[in-house]
Order: sequence, then structure tokens, then C-alpha cells
Amino acid sequence: DQQVKQNSPSLSVQEGRISILNCDYTNSMFDYFLWYKKYPAEGPTFLISISSIKDKNEDGRFTVFLNKSAKHLSLHIVPSQPGDSAVYFCAAFRVTSGTYKYIFGTGTRLKVLA
Amino acid sequence: EPEVTQTPSHQVTQMGQEVILRCVPISNHLYFYWYRQILGQKVEFLVSFYNNEISEKSEIFDDQFSVERPDGSNFTLKIRSTKLEDSAMYFCASSHILAGGPGILFFGEGSRLTVL
Repeated sequence: DQQVKQNSPSLSVQEGRISILNCDYTNSMFDYFLWYKKYPAEGPTFLISISSIKDKNEDGRFTVFLNKSAKHLSLHIVPSQPGDSAVYFCAAFRVTSGTYKYIFGTGTRLKVLA
Repeated sequence: EPEVTQTPSHQVTQMGQEVILRCVPISNHLYFYWYRQILGQKVEFLVSFYNNEISEKSEIFDDQFSVERPDGSNFTLKIRSTKLEDSAMYFCASSHILAGGPGILFFGEGSRLTVL
């Protein structure tokens, strides 16, 4: 049951251009959505989040958009930098019967070309 | 900056052996998690732990797996009898509480388990 999907396993973007990473979900009961970035041989690190009651959240070069009707969110990175090259995981969080669970997507490998 | 630490960074074991992976979560965090990532695949939820008990576990977390917080600082994952398919990177994570639920997950750098 793949509740959080990232359909693009990889993406290449020129330095300075916009990177757009997409994520789809199936469960309308998720409360928060988060993006994590992962470098090789390191644990994922938090990047940005958005509450299910909002449609946009911005933090510097990173903006997350949430389209609840389409059950879709996207992460925009502008301008992209070579240091942004990493695997990006979309995650969704819901509270279910008093328990807490994060569900991760399969990840998108972003390569920013200098 | 506080961080989640995991040991060992890499463990090689024979099939059928017991393995204990250790984690020291961030000290004021209340929620603890284990995730794993098989090479090239997604990060999979194993178990969450709150208030000294398991709050949720996945279908992966069968009777061969157990977690413990033995001394108020360490959080361990034990695999009783390892199988080849247990080979993966195991990530510990912790989070603080946030209104309406736990906050951002902070991950350790992972423990790579190789089962031969």
C-alpha cells in the first residue's frame, strides 16, 4: 500500500534553474507533509514542512506547495545549486488513534549540474 | 547542535545471529523511531516508541525484532535471528512533541547491517 509516491526516481537540473520535485499521496487524512534531504552515507535531514491546512510554505530557496484536491505536493528549489544534489524524500504524517506515524515516499535523486 | 548518534556504523553478521543496533536520541525528545532502507529502495518505517512502549509498528517488525530503552538514554533495536533480507541501513530517529503530534524527525547517520 504505497500511500506516498514519488514517481520520478531522478531529476537533473542546470545550476541556477528551478528544481521541481513532485509527490502524490492517497490518504486525505494526513496532517503534515515534510521534505527530507539525504546525502549518501548520511541520515535524512529535515528540509521544509507544510500543514494540511495550508497551500504554500516558503523558506529561503525552498518552497513547498500543497494541492489537496489533487492530493499532490511539490518542492521548488530556486535557484538550484550543486550542493542541492541529493535524494529528496517526501513524507506524510498522520495521527491515527493516538499513535504517530511518518510515511516516506521512494525518493527522487536530484542532480544539479554546474 | 544536538544530534542522534548510532552505533555501530557498520556491522557484518552471519545469518541466524543476533544483532543489537544502538542509538542515543536527542536528550529532550520524547518520540523514538527505527526506519530502514534496503539499498536503492525507500525508507521504511519499522517502529515508533513513546512513553516507554511501542506506539506503532509495521508488518516488517515481526517477532524477530524488539526495541528497548534500557537506561533512559539509549534506544536499541534487536534482531534475534538475522536473515539475508535484513541487510539494510537502519536509521534511528527522534522527535520532540508538537501541538497535535510529534515534531520533525531528527535522524542518525545510520547503521549498515550486512547479513552473510
